[in-house]
Amino acid sequence: AQTVTQSQPEMSVQEAETVTLSCTYDTSESDYYLFWYKQPPSRQMILVIRQEAYKQQNATENRFSVNFQKAAKSFSLKISDSQLGDAAMYFCALDGGSQGNLIFGKGTKLSVKP
Amino acid sequence: GAGVSQSPSNKVTEKGKDVELRCDPISGHTALYWYRQSLGQGLEFLIYFQGNSAPDKSGLPSDRFSAERTGGSVSTLTIQRTQQEDSAVYLCASSRGLGLRTHGYTFGSGTRLTVV
Repeated sequence: AQTVTQSQPEMSVQEAETVTLSCTYDTSESDYYLFWYKQPPSRQMILVIRQEAYKQQNATENRFSVNFQKAAKSFSLKISDSQLGDAAMYFCALDGGSQGNLIFGKGTKLSVKP
Repeated sequence: GAGVSQSPSNKVTEKGKDVELRCDPISGHTALYWYRQSLGQGLEFLIYFQGNSAPDKSGLPSDRFSAERTGGSVSTLTIQRTQQEDSAVYLCASSRGLGLRTHGYTFGSGTRLTVV
């Protein structure tokens, strides 16, 4: 079975500092994608970053980057220069296969202190 | 439309009543997904449609849940005889085709269902 685990229910960071959100996963697939989604109070899930498993290079999107450790099945998200607008729930997700559904972790609530 | 639209935004219903939740995907998106987000939990996959067809209904929590899609567009998720454990946010997403790898998802803002 495919699983995604986020071990940090809540995290806090000072504005302008860096924070890392953890995610581990399990899959028997060799080719898969991993995602980080942000969910603000509006409830709409917003894609932050995507990583293809066969690519060794870590994905980056502006202030967001990942540390992808395929052998360890770890996929952490680093947010640099944190901003007040980064405060939200963050979900790690695994591509569930041919159906196109996602397997989600339980999320990490990120607070940003001014 | 420009985005995925879900209605109603919020719904309070009495235990035992039936409810219908609506999802209007982005025009031209052939794949449509329903997820349930219970308090403090991640998103739980319920069902997907490719066109009007739902090949696998095994993710639906019970036989009180059903979903349909007509005209390759709007989808409705129906919950019969609602129970308190059905209280959750129901999220819909659409995609140009099956598979996130090339197409990606767009999510709606969800319907918050409260059963009292």
